[in-house]
Amino acid sequence: EAGVVQSPRYKIIEKKQPVAFWCNPISGHNTLYWYRQNLGQGPELLIRYENEEAVDDSQLPKDRFSAERLKGVDSTLKIQPAELGDSAVYLCASSLSLAGGLDTQYFGPGTRLTVL
Amino acid sequence: GQQLNQSPQSMFIQEGEDVSMNCTSSSIFNTWLWYKQEPGEGPVLLIALYKAGELTSNGRLTAQFGITRKDSFLNISASIPSDVGIYFCAGRISGTYKYIFGTGTRLKVLA
Repeated sequence: EAGVVQSPRYKIIEKKQPVAFWCNPISGHNTLYWYRQNLGQGPELLIRYENEEAVDDSQLPKDRFSAERLKGVDSTLKIQPAELGDSAVYLCASSLSLAGGLDTQYFGPGTRLTVL
Repeated sequence: GQQLNQSPQSMFIQEGEDVSMNCTSSSIFNTWLWYKQEPGEGPVLLIALYKAGELTSNGRLTAQFGITRKDSFLNISASIPSDVGIYFCAGRISGTYKYIFGTGTRLKVLA
């Protein structure tokens, strides 16, 4: 079974430019997460989707970040315009959220963003 | 953002030694996950814990869900060089689907 797929793996842009990341979750997983991981730290949640609905976007900087999950499968995360502080690894994860609360996340390889 | 207390921050050990690391929280969790992350890769799931007191093994790895539901530990027995990496705990806040990650334990194994 294929894991979570992310692209691109690396992206270097100049500040004020837009950038987009793509994620394809594990087949059948209804929940999708976007995390940001700064150097030397653990991942921090940006947004969580259940199917196509964003159910937790409280930590997404909405002035410049946007995300969508059309048809409840693939997802894109966009930053416009990018700032120097956005340099980080952006991780996508997916899970099959079951009744009763069992829920285990699996991560993709991440996209390493460098903003110059 | 919020992160769990994870200790130790880093460890340098000799090959063959046992390793122990733990995470603590002020919140009650209903799931604990342990991940390993290597450079340039995403975290890889090692062990998942769903019940207080649960003790689960995966090869040389053993993890336990604390009775208070506020902590968890991960043990690695007879470490080998390929155990090198950063180990993260992640706890799911009870009543939510939100996971909070630890700050990571950086493990280096000397052959």
